[in-house]
Amino acid sequence: AQSVAQPEDQVNVAEGNPLTVKCTYSVSGNPYLFWYVQYPNRGLQFLLKYITGDNLVKGSYGFEAEFNKSQTSFHLKKPSALVSDSALYFCAVRDAGFSSGSARQLTFGSGTQLTVLP
Amino acid sequence: GAGVSQSPSNKVTEKGKDVELRCDPISGHTALYWYRQSLGQGLEFLIYFQGNSAPDKSGLPSDRFSAERTGGSVSTLTIQRTQQEDSAVYLCASRGLAGEETQYFGPGTRLLVL
Repeated sequence: AQSVAQPEDQVNVAEGNPLTVKCTYSVSGNPYLFWYVQYPNRGLQFLLKYITGDNLVKGSYGFEAEFNKSQTSFHLKKPSALVSDSALYFCAVRDAGFSSGSARQLTFGSGTQLTVLP
Repeated sequence: GAGVSQSPSNKVTEKGKDVELRCDPISGHTALYWYRQSLGQGLEFLIYFQGNSAPDKSGLPSDRFSAERTGGSVSTLTIQRTQQEDSAVYLCASRGLAGEETQYFGPGTRLLVL
């Protein structure tokens, strides 16, 4: 089974400060990890992913995330937050090992509401 | 099209009625997923289509839920005899060829069952 935990329902940060949104995961094999962002009344927008290679992944809008295998974490970071970054952020995982025909569906965390204060 | 589209964007129905939700995936994407997002919850996997293979229905919560995908493109999710607990946002996602892991989501259909 695969699972994701986002331990913080809400993160508040002042504009211009660095931000971190935490994510830990559990899979039986190697993980494929994703971050998505959801603005009000919108679908999920893809931010970045880790499949293999460099542990530091850079994505859209200046976001980055670091894969830490020993801590089973994939925290989302941005050096300088913008008010426009305020949204709901979801971490997702899939076990890299799969059999032909399996769904390869993502398991999502419960989301973290990020509020950037002006 | 440029992205995944879903219709309607909002649907209000009465308990016991049937509803159909539509998803148009990104052109050329072979994999299509339906998820449900309930208030304050993460996303719950419902069903998966891959090309002409039999769909993976392992996430459907009850036999009132069904889905089909015609011609390997457009998909319809049908909920029969709707219940109030079916109220949620229903999200569709598509994914490209094998080796492409990213799922791209549509804007969702917000369903309210009165």
